[in-house]
Amino acid sequence: DSGVTQTPKHLITATGQRVTLRCSPRSGDLSVYWYQQSLDQGLQFLIHYYNGEERAKGNILERFSAQQFPDLHSELNLSSLELGDSALYFCASSVRMGGTGELFFGEGSRLTVL
Amino acid sequence: GQNIDQPTEMTATEGAIVQINCTYQTSGFNGLFWYQQHAGEAPTFLSYNVLDGLEEKGRFSSFLSRSKGYSYLLLKELQMKDSASYLCAVRAHTDKLIFGTGTRLQVFP
Repeated sequence: DSGVTQTPKHLITATGQRVTLRCSPRSGDLSVYWYQQSLDQGLQFLIHYYNGEERAKGNILERFSAQQFPDLHSELNLSSLELGDSALYFCASSVRMGGTGELFFGEGSRLTVL
Repeated sequence: GQNIDQPTEMTATEGAIVQINCTYQTSGFNGLFWYQQHAGEAPTFLSYNVLDGLEEKGRFSSFLSRSKGYSYLLLKELQMKDSASYLCAVRAHTDKLIFGTGTRLQVFP
């Protein structure tokens, strides 16, 4: 158990819909990262937050948005869903920004768009 | 740009040694990580290198050459449970942790 909690674990929805994925980082971790992993694909970096502020963005679609709240939990919002958005979405946290801060991953939220 | 290359698949025999290579070209460098990921599960941290040389951790070792943009993960005394994907990741100056597509290792008895 990494200490990172993601909900929901599984989600099935239809094209055009909107979903929110939630992540609670390890206690004390200020950095939260979101990654997308499609079938047989590597982990694609989406976005990084540190202590409530956006720090880095990857190839995140405009239909996707995220935020980190004062209590450090984070949400990833996916809207106007398409079939190709079906993937495993991982959240990871680390105690600091950069340096030797290894990432601890949650179990992921598996999104299926039908 | 950012580019991280690893072999797609490797096979090995239980008890043997296997070396998984990773080459990278990134805008800046602030450390290289290796993660293990079993199918459908979360990646778990294996090792971290920021200086040139070898880091050893039990049956797992990782090597880094910054001048060559090269790293390898060495797994000794392979066990069946080592069958998994091994992900090489580089932290660039922008603090993004960029992952390669991973190497799927199959260990046979």
